[in-house]
Amino acid sequence: EAGVAQSPRYKIIEKRQSVAFWCNPISGHATLYWYQQILGQGPKLLIQFQNNGVVDDSQLPKDRFSAERLKGVDSTLKIQPAKLEDSAVYLCASSSHRGGNTIYFGEGSWLTVV
Amino acid sequence: GENVEQHPSTLSVQEGDSAVIKCTYSDSASNYFPWYKQELGKRPQLIIDIRSNVGEKKDQRIAVTLNKTAKHFSLHITETQPEDSAVYFCAASSTSNTGKLIFGQGTTLQVKP
Repeated sequence: EAGVAQSPRYKIIEKRQSVAFWCNPISGHATLYWYQQILGQGPKLLIQFQNNGVVDDSQLPKDRFSAERLKGVDSTLKIQPAKLEDSAVYLCASSSHRGGNTIYFGEGSWLTVV
Repeated sequence: GENVEQHPSTLSVQEGDSAVIKCTYSDSASNYFPWYKQELGKRPQLIIDIRSNVGEKKDQRIAVTLNKTAKHFSLHITETQPEDSAVYFCAASSTSNTGKLIFGQGTTLQVKP
């Protein structure tokens, strides 16, 4: 079974520039998550999708971050404009259902904002 | 809001010793508690999980205990090996509502040969 795919793996941008990350979840997984992991901290949920609908985006900085999951499969996370504090690993994850089911993570997209 | 506290932040043990990591959670509706292991530069990977209808679960050298009354759960690793060295995260979620998974801050475990 293929895992969660993410790209790009690494990205370096200057502050105020924009960046987009792509995620392809495990086939058939209805729930998709984007987590932000700052070095030395635990993953923090940014947004959770159930199929193509948003379930939770309470911690998404909506003035600069946006995410979509068209057709309920792939998802993109965009940051515009980026700030220095956005430097982190952006982890995409998926599960077959929300709540109480194993969440599988991708390898992450490492963002450095300079 | 929901919160998960994890202790200690770092833990160093000798090979063969046991390691214990403890977590507390704030949301009394939480009923699913997974533990993830993350090696440097790698993705978090599930190592064991427990649901609120059981108090303990064991898988070879790792075990997890849950005390719902006190709202805390622990990871126990016995006969530690150098390859157990990694960052371990606890997490909690509720199957009701959104099922959002909240992570602890992580514990860096170092097993000295």
